[in-house]
Amino acid sequence: AQSVAQPEDQVNVAEGNPLTVKCTYSVSGNPYLFWYVQYPNRGLQFLLKYITGDNLVKGSYGFEAEFNKSQTSFHLKKPSALVSDSALYFCAVRASQAGTALIFGKGTTLSVSS
Amino acid sequence: SQTIHQWPATLVQPVGSPLSLECTVEGTSNPNLYWYRQAAGRGLQLLFYSVGIGQISSEVPQNLSASRPQDRQFILSSKKLLLSDSGFYLCAWSPHGILGAGNTIYFGEGSWLTVV
Repeated sequence: AQSVAQPEDQVNVAEGNPLTVKCTYSVSGNPYLFWYVQYPNRGLQFLLKYITGDNLVKGSYGFEAEFNKSQTSFHLKKPSALVSDSALYFCAVRASQAGTALIFGKGTTLSVSS
Repeated sequence: SQTIHQWPATLVQPVGSPLSLECTVEGTSNPNLYWYRQAAGRGLQLLFYSVGIGQISSEVPQNLSASRPQDRQFILSSKKLLLSDSGFYLCAWSPHGILGAGNTIYFGEGSWLTVV
C-alpha cells in the first residue's frame, strides 16, 4: 500500500529565512511525488512534481523540492520565505503502476511571520 | 488553457435532503475527473474518479454517488444527506491517460457543504 507522511502539523519561520516542509513516502516501485498549496477556503494549487530525472525539482513561486530515494523523502524548500507563503501545504504520492490514485498527506500549515 | 468550474461554492442543506454538486472542465478532451472531500481543512479523501463517460470508480463506500453524463462534466450527488456529509468538496481533473501516470491533478475552487 502506498502512503505519505507529513510529520509536522505546523512550521513557523520568519520572513526572509529559509523554509523546509517535510514529506516522506512509501510506495512499491518508483514514486511520482507532488506538492500542492492551499490558501484558506480555496482549492489546491499545484506547485511542483517529481516524475523522473534530476532529483532537485523547481516549481512555482520560488519553491523547490529534493527527491531522496534512499530516505524516501521529498521535502519542500524555499531559500527566503515570504509572509504570503503562509498557507497549508500538501505532499502527495502515486505509485508508477497504472490504476493507482494520488494519495495526499494530512498537510502542514506554514506560518511566516514578519 | 484549461479551466475547471465547480458550483455552488457554498451550500447549506437540511439532513435528509438531496445534493447535487457540479463540475465542468474546459479546454481539454476526455480528462480524468475526480471528487475529493476535505474534512476539517486537512486531509483529502478521494471519493470517486472517472476515466471516461459513464465510467465511475468509487474509492470509499458513501452516502454519495457520482455521474459523468458528458465528457467534461462530473456530478456528485446524494439522495439523502447525513450530518457527516458536511465538508469541503473538491472537483479535480488530470489530462487523459492511464490512471497512475505522472499527470498532474488540477483542482477546482471547492464547494463548502454544511448539513444542518
